[in-house]
Amino acid sequence: EPEVTQTPSHQVTQMGQEVILRCVPISNHLYFYWYRQILGQKVEFLVSFYNNEISEKSEIFDDQFSVERPDGSNFTLKIRSTKLEDSAMYFCASQGTRRTQYFGPGTRLLVL
Amino acid sequence: GDSVTQMEGPVTLSEEAFLTINCTYTATGYPSPFWYVQYPGEGLQLLLKATKADDKGSNKGFEATYRKETTSFHLEKGSVQVSDSAVYFCALSDFTGGGNKLTFGTGTQLKVEL
Repeated sequence: EPEVTQTPSHQVTQMGQEVILRCVPISNHLYFYWYRQILGQKVEFLVSFYNNEISEKSEIFDDQFSVERPDGSNFTLKIRSTKLEDSAMYFCASQGTRRTQYFGPGTRLLVL
Repeated sequence: GDSVTQMEGPVTLSEEAFLTINCTYTATGYPSPFWYVQYPGEGLQLLLKATKADDKGSNKGFEATYRKETTSFHLEKGSVQVSDSAVYFCALSDFTGGGNKLTFGTGTQLKVEL
């Protein structure tokens, strides 16, 4: 069964450093998403991406964040200058023509 | 915006007990409800969903009926097992044309004991 994959599974970085989180969505899916879950809290929407552009973003998704689909398969989330409060689990999700989103296993980001 | 309210946990049950986790929502547009499950140390897995009013989603013995009149999607299971111990998230999607972001509840931790 096709699945969404994410790399790395864990990332530790220093405050102020740039990080890139990678996702490979299910092939032939059209919509892509990033969510985050701060430890012990609810899952929060960050951004949705369709037709090679951002279709919606939350207040969390400020100028420090960017997304890209550089080669038609990978879907990346970049945080330019990480802050302590960016420490969270980041989930990628993809969706086909139906309304169901399939999630990857997540990347746990720790900013020191 | 949309919001999802689900019962707080943790919920501790004995094996074979009946489970209900309440979920209600407020939404504009044409929402669809989902239940996702997160096992310890893992990501989010789709458990079940509904697409229209009075639809019943079911999977692995879990059921939930989409009640538009009460804006609810309560999760039930007749006989829980230790392996059902996890965090359960109620979520709502609202299609906007460019995709449909999910709005999640806070999650309910379920612990099933022998």
